[in-house]
Amino acid sequence: NAGVTQTPKFRILKIGQSMTLQCAQDMNHNYMYWYRQDPGMGLKLIYYSVGAGITDKGEVPNGYNVSRSTTEDFPLRLELAAPSQTSVYFCASSYSGAAHNEQFFGPGTRLTVL
Amino acid sequence: GESVGLHLPTLSVQEGDNSIINCAYSNSASDYFIWYKQESGKGPQFIIDIRSNMDKRQGQRVTVLLNKTVKHLSLQIAATQPGDSAVYFCAENYAGGTSYGKLTFGQGTILTVHP
Repeated sequence: NAGVTQTPKFRILKIGQSMTLQCAQDMNHNYMYWYRQDPGMGLKLIYYSVGAGITDKGEVPNGYNVSRSTTEDFPLRLELAAPSQTSVYFCASSYSGAAHNEQFFGPGTRLTVL
Repeated sequence: GESVGLHLPTLSVQEGDNSIINCAYSNSASDYFIWYKQESGKGPQFIIDIRSNMDKRQGQRVTVLLNKTVKHLSLQIAATQPGDSAVYFCAENYAGGTSYGKLTFGQGTILTVHP
């Protein structure tokens, strides 16, 4: 299994540009999550999904959108990039939403908005 | 609001020493506490977790202690190795209602192990 994969690894955007961060998992996990990590800080939840066709907001959803058309894929969309969205983005998945279920993280996408 | 935080942002130890990383939490209703290790340029990796009805749990070279009286969590690493150098995060999970596994992360502690 490849686990959780993310593309691209790095990206530089200009203010106002849009892009999609890709995330895929091959573990047949129902739950998927998007986090952002600012320098020297812990991760903050942006959006999550409990299954195909079902998504919901996390702690910091403003400026982002998600979709979940398949179990495997959970893309994160930035419509109008702003410098405040400069961060490292991590996708994660878990078999279920139970508290004891381990979340598996991807390697991250480092995004800079100039 | 509810938060998870760390007492020490950095910790330097010699190879072979034991390391203790601390974490304070404020949500007394949290059900699980989890420690993650994040190596440079990588995503967080699960180390160990502990349920709120336990006070100690041991893994391979790691022990997590939970003190609910003072809302304190610690991660002990025995015989620390250079490969243990990383940022360590504690996270909490409140399983009530529709939490759906949403984690609240602390700031992180940088552990540096000197050979």
